[in-house]
Amino acid sequence: NAGVTQTPKFQVLKTGQSMTLQCAQDMNHEYMSWYRQDPGMGLRLIHYSVGAGITDQGEVPNGYNVSRSTTEDFPLRLLSAAPSQTSVYFCASSRLSAGGSTDTQYFGPGTRLTVL
Amino acid sequence: DAKTTQPPSMDCAEGRAANLPCNHSTISGNEYVYWYRQIHSQGPQYIIHGLKNNETNEMASLIITEDRKSSTLILPHATLRDTAVYYCIVRILQGPDKLIFGTGTRLQVFP
Repeated sequence: NAGVTQTPKFQVLKTGQSMTLQCAQDMNHEYMSWYRQDPGMGLRLIHYSVGAGITDQGEVPNGYNVSRSTTEDFPLRLLSAAPSQTSVYFCASSRLSAGGSTDTQYFGPGTRLTVL
Repeated sequence: DAKTTQPPSMDCAEGRAANLPCNHSTISGNEYVYWYRQIHSQGPQYIIHGLKNNETNEMASLIITEDRKSSTLILPHATLRDTAVYYCIVRILQGPDKLIFGTGTRLQVFP
């Protein structure tokens, strides 16, 4: 298993540009999520999904869109990049129990995004 | 989810046990204690979790006090590769996971 993969590893954008960060997992996990991590800080949840076609907002969703058309993929879209979105972005996945709670999360290697 | 408090940094000699403390004085009865670590900007890695009993796996041991207001993660024989930021998180195993990461403890293992 490749686990959780993210592309690209690095990206530089200009203010106002749009782009999509890709995340894929091959563990058949129902739950997937996106976090951002700013220097010297912990991770903050952006969006999450409990299955194909179902997404919800996390702690810091503004400026980001997500969709979940398949179990494997959970792309994160920046509609109009801003310098405040300069960060490292992590995708994670997890199984869901019958009761809806998540198991331990597996994280991808991250995408380092700089917005000029 | 309850808030946790961890020391910002700790040092440990290679081969010695690393004991990382965590305070979670407002933890509720159905909240679990989870530990993750992050090695130099890589994605966080799950270590261990527990509810009230002590737990051990191939990576570490978790000691939770009887009143559950604090816990200690123990790496029995620290290596240089254990240098990382360690996050203590408490969460309810109910509904979608919303891990709340604080700033963690930066563990430096030295030769």
